[in-house]
Amino acid sequence: GAVVSQHPSWVICKSGTSVKIECRSLDFQATTMFWYRQFPKQSLMLMATSNEGSKATYEQGVEKDKFLINHASLTLSTLTVTSAHPEDSSFYICTTSARGDGSRSGGYTFGSGTRLTVV
Amino acid sequence: AQSVTQPDIHITVSEGASLELRCNYSYGATPYLFWYVQSPGQGLQLLLKYFSGDTLVQGIKGFEAEFKRSQSSFNLRKPSVHWSDAAEYFCAVGGTSYGKLTFGQGTILTVHP
Repeated sequence: GAVVSQHPSWVICKSGTSVKIECRSLDFQATTMFWYRQFPKQSLMLMATSNEGSKATYEQGVEKDKFLINHASLTLSTLTVTSAHPEDSSFYICTTSARGDGSRSGGYTFGSGTRLTVV
Repeated sequence: AQSVTQPDIHITVSEGASLELRCNYSYGATPYLFWYVQSPGQGLQLLLKYFSGDTLVQGIKGFEAEFKRSQSSFNLRKPSVHWSDAAEYFCAVGGTSYGKLTFGQGTILTVHP
């Protein structure tokens, strides 16, 4: 079935540095990628929606200059947390949908998530 | 705007007992509804989904859910819980099968032996 490979699984970085998270669709073309953030013991909150070859659409309250999203190809989307701070520590998950195909994993394929800890 | 409410933050059941996790949604049109399970530090696994048709949906691991439009609910059930079912469960709603999803707050399930 469809697989989205998300890397790294976990990362620890120093405050002020940048971290890049990658999501690759391994056997299909991901036209749209959704990026979610999950704080401890909380639900998943949509951060942004990216479409291949165009600018990402950010949800209200999400800083686009801090969370840079690039979706340059149909198989790769990246989220870069710039100048990370401890409050950015969270679990980040990507998911892609297959337009018009609701039979594959409900139309969504999730990455395994990235646990970011900023110290 | 779409929203999802999972009234129960934490549920504890004994192994072998039946389970029902509640989910209420708000959406202006026919919703696309999902239940996902998440083990600690892991991604999400789809249990089942409802798009249209039969309102009783069968999923993996013996789970089922019933869509009740009149109650705006999509409750998840399992007749006999196994210890391996302990995890966090999320209900989600979307306007299509491929657009953005809105998740509920999640329900943590603890299973006692």
